[in-house]
Amino acid sequence: LAKTTQPISMDSYEGQEVNITCSHNNIATNDYITWYQQFPSQGPRFIIQGYKTKVTNEVASLFIPADRKSSTLSLPRVSLSDTAVYYCLVVINTGFQKLVFGTGTRLLVSP
Amino acid sequence: DTGVSQNPRHKITKRGQNVTFRCDPISEHNRLYWYRQTLGQGPEFLTYFQNEAQLEKSRLLSDRFSAERPKGSFSTLEIQRTEQGDSAMYLCASRDGLAGKPTDTQYFGPGTRLTVL
Repeated sequence: LAKTTQPISMDSYEGQEVNITCSHNNIATNDYITWYQQFPSQGPRFIIQGYKTKVTNEVASLFIPADRKSSTLSLPRVSLSDTAVYYCLVVINTGFQKLVFGTGTRLLVSP
Repeated sequence: DTGVSQNPRHKITKRGQNVTFRCDPISEHNRLYWYRQTLGQGPEFLTYFQNEAQLEKSRLLSDRFSAERPKGSFSTLEIQRTEQGDSAMYLCASRDGLAGKPTDTQYFGPGTRLTVL
């Protein structure tokens, strides 16, 4: 599985757009890029997944360049409740689908 | 609530005791996963079930750990002779797997926090 690298922490203010970039230089052809969000004392929550170009849902957008060696999670107009740890994973969507989590990015949103 | 549920949410035990956790996946999901998460780290994979068959086990799963999914629905994770190093959050996740979609993801439960004194 391709290893991912993302910033350890980020700070932002309410109402700002937050972009978290993840690098995955060794991503394979069948890999998908997946982001999870985790609040303290809760299980991770799926945010978004993509293969290439741009994916958008009601929570976030995911930008993936043509070479797929990196990706950017974009959170529009963050609020205090977006304070959490965000994990970038490279996932093979086969039957097993082992998820390998790193230490994630701790996002702190301040008033 | 149709999400993944786990019980108990918290467990405090003394070293050497046995503990058992339960996971109830989303009802139509045939794939079930157990993870362990320690403070400041991301979850680490422990084991995987497809229906009642345990198909994958991590090296983290020592012989003191055993997991079952007897009828392909709920699952249990038992830790025998607990050690202080077993203190962690134990997470369960389930996944559809039958939908045939390449993007079907794992849905996590709230976890069971184990403290071994």
